[in-house]
Amino acid sequence: GQQLNQSPQSMFIQEGEDVSMNCTSSSIFNTWLWYKQDPGEGPVLLIALYKAGELTSNGRLTAQFGITRKDSFLNISASIPSDVGIYFCAGRGGTSYGKLTFGQGTILTVHP
Amino acid sequence: EAGVAQSPRYKIIEKRQSVAFWCNPISGHATLYWYQQILGQGPKLLIQFQNNGVVDDSQLPKDRFSAERLKGVDSTLKIQPAKLEDSAVYLCASSLASESGYTFGSGTRLTVV
Repeated sequence: GQQLNQSPQSMFIQEGEDVSMNCTSSSIFNTWLWYKQDPGEGPVLLIALYKAGELTSNGRLTAQFGITRKDSFLNISASIPSDVGIYFCAGRGGTSYGKLTFGQGTILTVHP
Repeated sequence: EAGVAQSPRYKIIEKRQSVAFWCNPISGHATLYWYQQILGQGPKLLIQFQNNGVVDDSQLPKDRFSAERLKGVDSTLKIQPAKLEDSAVYLCASSLASESGYTFGSGTRLTVV
């Protein structure tokens, strides 16, 4: 089946620093999504990407859909303490009828 | 709009017991998903419904797991009998269509002892 490799597994940064995480796949995806999950809650959608090469921003977050359609990255600029959480990439393939395959997650800790 | 509602929030059962989870999707959302999230991992799809029909249940352990969405709205997921490895958060999500982004509920945290 489709596999997503997300890295890094965890990051410890100082408030104000920029963060970058990425996801690679063995398969081509038609959609890449980035979610954030807080403790005890379900994942919340941050950014959705629908086209190869697409670069999309949402406030301090920027994500790109790789040209090969097998990778994506998420950048967070000027991190703040409330950015703490687990970030997941998710991909949707052409024949998956909406099913999302998730990466293993990146745990982000921001020190004030 | 109201979000995806799930209950209960927490459940602790002994192995070999049965358990059921309930999900009420966002009104009008035709597609409903049940995901299993084991601690330290990303969510994994168990079953996908389009209205009241099953679209994908290829990763549902059908010897012990079952799910239904009888009227195309609410859904229940049942485990019978539970095993220790079923300890996880069970997330329900819904979307307008299979191509749309979807909204997750807060999940049910199941502990099997």
